Amino acid sequence: GAVVSQHPSWVICKSGTSVKIECRSLDFQATTMFWYRQFPKQSLMLMATSNEGSKATYEQGVEKDKFLINHASLTLSTLTVTSAHPEDSSFYICSARDAGRGGPTDTQYFGPGTRLTVL
Amino acid sequence: ILNVEQSPQSLHVQEGDSTNFTCSFPSSNFYALHWYRWETAKSPEALFVMTLNGDEKKKGRISATLNTKEGYSYLYIKGSQPEDSATYLCAFASGSARQLTFGSGTQLTVLP
Repeated sequence: GAVVSQHPSWVICKSGTSVKIECRSLDFQATTMFWYRQFPKQSLMLMATSNEGSKATYEQGVEKDKFLINHASLTLSTLTVTSAHPEDSSFYICSARDAGRGGPTDTQYFGPGTRLTVL
Repeated sequence: ILNVEQSPQSLHVQEGDSTNFTCSFPSSNFYALHWYRWETAKSPEALFVMTLNGDEKKKGRISATLNTKEGYSYLYIKGSQPEDSATYLCAFASGSARQLTFGSGTQLTVLP
């Protein structure tokens, strides 16, 4: 149980285009999903917390107009990188927390990540 | 900014060796410490969630200890096998925050 899928697993796009990444909880409902970014040799950095039916909460330094997050259902959150530039090239990974539980001891279940390359 | 450090950054061990690595985190405002195992091209897999000082958790050949007063956790692997090769991540939760702050991981390679 507790499987999270992420699509696509990799994407190459031209500078200036937008890219959408989907994160789905397959066998549980997730009121909260998280989006992280990882640069080479660095740790997972939280970009934003996505709550079903409400606006996402962005971490300091993350442009909300650049990284659009939508969490329209209890099983799906999307991250859209708008007008992508080469510096947006990174590994993006989502996680989801089971709606049946509560608290910071909650396990976050991760997707496999998306490698974005912007040419 | 919370500082979560993991050491070593990487290590190679022979099959059958036991090994351990460290996660250090702020000792104030502690709430929980998570360990994840992340194999290449797969999703990070939750290993343990630890909340109490002195906690010790075990899952097969993998175990972890927690010292919240001094701000560190050890992960032990007994009798390493090639399938244990992965990056091991720790993540710290402070206060009532539901966000996790991750370390950069320890990359373990077990040589057959």
